[in-house]
Amino acid sequence: DAGVIQSPRHEVTEMGQEVTLRCKPISGHDYLFWYRQTMMRGLELLIYFNNNVPIDDSGMPEDRFSAKMPNASFSTLKIQPSEPRDSAVYFCASTYGGALIETQYFGPGTRLLVL
Amino acid sequence: KQEVTQIPAALSVPEGENLVLNCSFTDSAIYNLQWFRQDPGKGLTSLLLIQSSQREQTSGRLNASLDKSSGRSTLYIAASQPGDSATYLCAVPTNPGYSTLTFGKGTMLLVSP
Repeated sequence: DAGVIQSPRHEVTEMGQEVTLRCKPISGHDYLFWYRQTMMRGLELLIYFNNNVPIDDSGMPEDRFSAKMPNASFSTLKIQPSEPRDSAVYFCASTYGGALIETQYFGPGTRLLVL
Repeated sequence: KQEVTQIPAALSVPEGENLVLNCSFTDSAIYNLQWFRQDPGKGLTSLLLIQSSQREQTSGRLNASLDKSSGRSTLYIAASQPGDSATYLCAVPTNPGYSTLTFGKGTMLLVSP
């Protein structure tokens, strides 16, 4: 398997624009996680899905953030409108069975810069 | 609320030294603890996963120990090499039975030739 795939790898946009981040989890994994990483706050969980259903979105900072998982092989994280404070590295991770059993497999991340 | 702290935040050592990275967590009711490695500009890669019933796990030059009662874990790296330079993060399940992880902020390690 190619691992968790994220696109784009880098995104530079202007404040107010819509940003869509994409993730393809490892085939067969039933959990998908979206994280955000900054120097100040470290790695924060934004939302996670189990079998394509959002389970906990309490980490989503504002209504400007939304995430979907239309099928087992694809998920998106959307920011609309984007703000400079959204600049961070966004990671997608997947696993089978949750954190109780298996480790999480991370994608390479999307580096977002909002000007 | 589970909180994870890693000390030190950064560490610089010459090649060949043995070193210890520390991780502490506030809620000892954990099922497991994981150590990850993050190279600059890359995602996280799992190094070791210790189940709550285990006291340690070993992989090559890496040895991770877990003391649930004291809320501590250590990652021991033997005979460090420049290729070990990376950020090391530990993570525990956010709450018992939960499928999410709480991460420490990591220790940035630099091994000089």
